[in-house]
Amino acid sequence: GAVVSQHPSRVICKSGTSVKIECRSLDFQATTMFWYRQFPKQSLMLMATSNEGSKATYEQGVEKDKFLINHASLTLSTLTVTSAHPEDSSFYICSPTGGDTQYFGPGTRLTVL
Amino acid sequence: EDQVTQSPEALRLQEGESSSLNCSYTVSGLRGLFWYRQDPGKGPEFLFTLYSAGEEKEKERLKATLTKKESFLHITAPKPEDSATYLCAVQGLTTSGTYKYIFGTGTRLKVLA
Repeated sequence: GAVVSQHPSRVICKSGTSVKIECRSLDFQATTMFWYRQFPKQSLMLMATSNEGSKATYEQGVEKDKFLINHASLTLSTLTVTSAHPEDSSFYICSPTGGDTQYFGPGTRLTVL
Repeated sequence: EDQVTQSPEALRLQEGESSSLNCSYTVSGLRGLFWYRQDPGKGPEFLFTLYSAGEEKEKERLKATLTKKESFLHITAPKPEDSATYLCAVQGLTTSGTYKYIFGTGTRLKVLA
């Protein structure tokens, strides 16, 4: 399978700060990138879908101005949580996808104090 | 409404005690059903993709089957290292012609030595 990395793996920040999460697919060209959020003991909730070079499509209830997604290349996508608050604390997982093949990153644990 | 339901929520097995996990789904334009394994604090790890009713796939102690309404993940003679959360997801078509993935809430499996 493809190698997918996320950076950072863990981040703790103060309320009001912005956090950028990088997702790289090292040997796979992701035409589509999904970003998920997972709360403890819950399943993955799709936040947004982005196609390389296009604007992201956000799921209902996900604020596009708060969760900024950039998918500038086939191997890199970023998710920026702007003005993070404690309720944004979660496990964020990227999923680079091409055709029928979907991979997942190792996740980023965000804790907002 | 498209949805995926997994049962049971949690399952404790003795080592060697075979069992099955269930994933029932309703989705428009099913394109594929996926099984993943997720360990705590990590992203999902791909196990199987099933595309059509009657299809079966096997990998070591795991076997996945698919009908028109549900999928089963059979675990034969499980070992403690099989302990994880098993996620089911379906890929379906949206009204706009794009694909979407819908995840179940998972089954937390604990295999006791």
